[in-house]
Amino acid sequence: QVQLQESGPGLVKPSETLSLTCTVSGGSMSNYYWNWIRQPPGKGLEWIGYIYYSGSINYNPSLRSRVTMSVDTSKNQLSLKLSSVTAADTAVYHCARGLASCGGDCYGPWGQGTLVTVSS
Amino acid sequence: EIVLTQSPGTLSLSPGERATLSCRASQSLSSTYIAWYQQKPGQAPRLLIYGASSRATGIPDRFSGSGSGTDFTLTLSRLEPEDFAVYYCQQYGSSPFTFGPGTKVDFK
Repeated sequence: QVQLQESGPGLVKPSETLSLTCTVSGGSMSNYYWNWIRQPPGKGLEWIGYIYYSGSINYNPSLRSRVTMSVDTSKNQLSLKLSSVTAADTAVYHCARGLASCGGDCYGPWGQGTLVTVSS
Repeated sequence: EIVLTQSPGTLSLSPGERATLSCRASQSLSSTYIAWYQQKPGQAPRLLIYGASSRATGIPDRFSGSGSGTDFTLTLSRLEPEDFAVYYCQQYGSSPFTFGPGTKVDFK
C-alpha cells in the first residue's frame, strides 16, 4: 500500500524559507494529485495546495505568493517551499494523495506529518 | 472562499450510542463535494466519507454520511471505543478547498 513520509528541518528562523520533502513509497506518483495540508498545534486543517504528477499546480490564494511546489516522479518525491515564514506558519505539515474518486480533491492516504516551528 | 461550520464543538457520548455530527457550508455546494475525516491524537487524519455519502475503502458501515446543498451530516450508528476522536468535514466543490473546525467526540 502507498505510504507517504515527510522530512525536513523542524526549526526555521523567521523570514527564512521552509523546505519539506515528501517521499512516496509502495506506489507510483503517476496520475495522482499530491497535496500539502498543514495544522497549527491544537488547531484545524488548512489546505496549502496541490501539484499534479505532470506538474500542474493549484495553490491556496492565502499562501500563493509564498508557496512553491514541485514533483520529481523519478525519485517518487514532492517538495514544498514556503518563503518569508513567520510564527503563524508553525504547524504540522502533511502531504497527502488526492483520491481519484474525488477528482483528486479529497485526501487519502496522508503522511504522518512533520512539525515545523518558526522561531529565532 | 466557502466557510464550513461544524456543530456541536464537542459531543460527549458513551460506547454504543449514536453520534450525529453536522457540517454547514456558507454557500451551496454545486454537488455533494463533502468529505469527512477522523483524526486521533498524534495521528494523521483518515478519510471516512467522500461525495457526502460514499464510504472510503475499509471504513465500517457504522459510519454514514448524508446531505446536500449547504447541510451535511456524519452519523456513527453505534460508537465503538476506537471512534472517540475529532471529526472534520471538508468541501472540495470550490477552490480553495476548506475544512471545518472539527467536532470532538469524547467519553461521557
